[in-house]
Amino acid sequence: GEDVEQSLFLSVREGDSSVINCTYTDSSSTYLYWYKQEPGAGLQLLTYIFSNMDMKQDQRLTVLLNKKDKHLSLRIADTQTGDSAIYFCAESIRRSQGNLIFGKGTKLSVKP
Amino acid sequence: DGGITQSPKYLFRKEGQNVTLSCEQNLNHDAMYWYRQDPGQGLRLIYYSQIVNDFQKGDIAEGYSVSREKKESFPLTVTSAQKNPTAFYLCASSAVPGQGAGTEAFFGQGTRLTVV
Repeated sequence: GEDVEQSLFLSVREGDSSVINCTYTDSSSTYLYWYKQEPGAGLQLLTYIFSNMDMKQDQRLTVLLNKKDKHLSLRIADTQTGDSAIYFCAESIRRSQGNLIFGKGTKLSVKP
Repeated sequence: DGGITQSPKYLFRKEGQNVTLSCEQNLNHDAMYWYRQDPGQGLRLIYYSQIVNDFQKGDIAEGYSVSREKKESFPLTVTSAQKNPTAFYLCASSAVPGQGAGTEAFFGQGTRLTVV
């Protein structure tokens, strides 16, 4: 089956690291994505990782993939108030004719 | 600038009326998608199209219709048959349907539809 799970809320203090977790069920997923959505706006692609990779780092963002456990995480270093948003995990499955399967999103609140 | 444009940003509809949401992209993408977003529900796929003159139902297609007469355009009509149409609607496009990196979906800024 196709399902992506995320916790709904995360609250951190400015300057701390944030870790947003995601689990997925389809082992045939080829690419996994992290999107950011600010209030009243569309989704912005933050980063992605190919399923044969364990880790990808891009400036303050680190993506970790545990394919055995079907677990994906996004770490944001030195979290800023501008990072407050909803973060969506998504998987790309060849069989599903082009559809990305999204989690319900994790709302990150950053306190000053 | 290349991108994907949705209009209008806010839309009000009376019960029983059909309404059409516009989505245009100049990214030369083959695939286009419509999603509905409700609080706490994440994104749910309404319709998608991989090529001009062809489209497929997603998970929640009932009460909606689409057309794909041009590569650049994928309008969504919310019909009176949709029982609970108030939501945030997102359009997206991608180069090749979900086949790999560089084919990730790019999103418009959304249309918030409210039934009054």
